Amino acid sequence: QSVLTQPPSVSAAPGQRVTISCSGSISNIGSNYVSWYQQVPGTAPKLLIYDNNKRPSGIPDRFSGSKSGTSATLGITGLQTGDEADYYCGTWDISLRTVVFGGGTKLTVL
Amino acid sequence: QLQLQESGPGQVKPSETLSLTCTVSGDSISSSYYYWGWIRQPPGRGLEWIGKLLYGGSTFYNPPLKSRVTMSVDTSTNQFSLSLSSVTAADTAVYYCARLLRTDGDSPFDYWGQGALVTVSS
Repeated sequence: QSVLTQPPSVSAAPGQRVTISCSGSISNIGSNYVSWYQQVPGTAPKLLIYDNNKRPSGIPDRFSGSKSGTSATLGITGLQTGDEADYYCGTWDISLRTVVFGGGTKLTVL
Repeated sequence: QLQLQESGPGQVKPSETLSLTCTVSGDSISSSYYYWGWIRQPPGRGLEWIGKLLYGGSTFYNPPLKSRVTMSVDTSTNQFSLSLSSVTAADTAVYYCARLLRTDGDSPFDYWGQGALVTVSS
């Protein structure tokens, strides 16, 4: 059971918008920055969003992040078939003194 | 362009020690701005943080694994390593090495290796 809670799966049609939620507590999301990672099956995770809403160089602005209280959200607009992947949120937990991740959300582009 | 590459045995016997090395190219591992870390992913499951280290020797380990984990850095070869002792089948996973963007606890992992599958089996 992961410390951060994500929906197991989400789906949407090409061109549509989808959001993925990540729920935590005051000791993790409530106190620290959140990152989001994209993992295409069989490959390493790739940093998509960091510090709640910043995009690394090369990440298109179709990807966005936000945080409110003890929850964070990843948004993807203009869905493409290439966006099909698993998405993970992550942050630091000050009580557990460890990096914690969500269980991952599988995105299907119908 | 920074690149990380894991290397080590693909199979380890139960109760033995798992050892992996991460070779860093495109940047010096001696930079004081970055931590270097290990994350693992059991087949079909999510990500688990193992720990991180700074070139000067400071280390931070995931508490449940702390008694079995040792990380070290070799600046002469620009490599850092992971040792995990007394392994069981539950330690079977893809092991990733990664760079942390900064030294804060909530730093993101901005560069990842391709991963190395380690199977614990007799």
